[in-house]
Amino acid sequence: GAVVSQHPSWVICKSGTSVKIECRSLDFQATTMFWYRQFPKQSLMLMATSNEGSKATYEQGVEKDKFLINHASLTLSTLTVTSAHPEDSSFYICSASRDRGYNEQFFGPGTRLTVL
Amino acid sequence: GNSVTQMEGPVTLSEEAFLTINCTYTATGYPSLFWYVQYPGEGLQLLLKATKADDKGSNKGFEATYRKETTSFHLEKGSVQVSDSAVYFCALSDGGSQGNLIFGKGTKLSVKP
Repeated sequence: GAVVSQHPSWVICKSGTSVKIECRSLDFQATTMFWYRQFPKQSLMLMATSNEGSKATYEQGVEKDKFLINHASLTLSTLTVTSAHPEDSSFYICSASRDRGYNEQFFGPGTRLTVL
Repeated sequence: GNSVTQMEGPVTLSEEAFLTINCTYTATGYPSLFWYVQYPGEGLQLLLKATKADDKGSNKGFEATYRKETTSFHLEKGSVQVSDSAVYFCALSDGGSQGNLIFGKGTKLSVKP
């Protein structure tokens, strides 16, 4: 149980285009989903936290107009990178929690984004 | 602010060797501490956790003790196996309203037969 999937697992896009990444909790209802970004040999950096039906809370320094997060249901959250640029290339990881993260977050396998 | 520092990898060991991966933290208040493991091609999985000082988390032969006096949470295993090869992340939760996690950079472990 507690499986989280991400789609796609990797994506290559041209500069200026938008890319949508999906995060799904497959066998539980996720009250809260988290989006992280990971640079090579760096730790995971929290980008934003989203509660189902509410606007996402973004961490300081993360552009909310560039990284659009939607958490429309208890099993699906999406991250859209708008007008992507090469500096947005990274590994994006989502996690989901049944209880707003108090006890455990369950992580997806990540999505590798490369912007040409 | 809160932060986690863990030893740089990669770490390469022979099977049945003893493993230690060091982790120290900086935090205000009383954070919870975690070790996550990421096997190749998979998402991070919670390996063990400790929520207060002197607690010992353990799972799958791995152990870590929450040491408030040294602000450490070192991961240990007495005899590693090839199947333990993965990236290990130390993390803390500052106990905020959303349980936000702050991660170390990760340590890649390779175990050779």
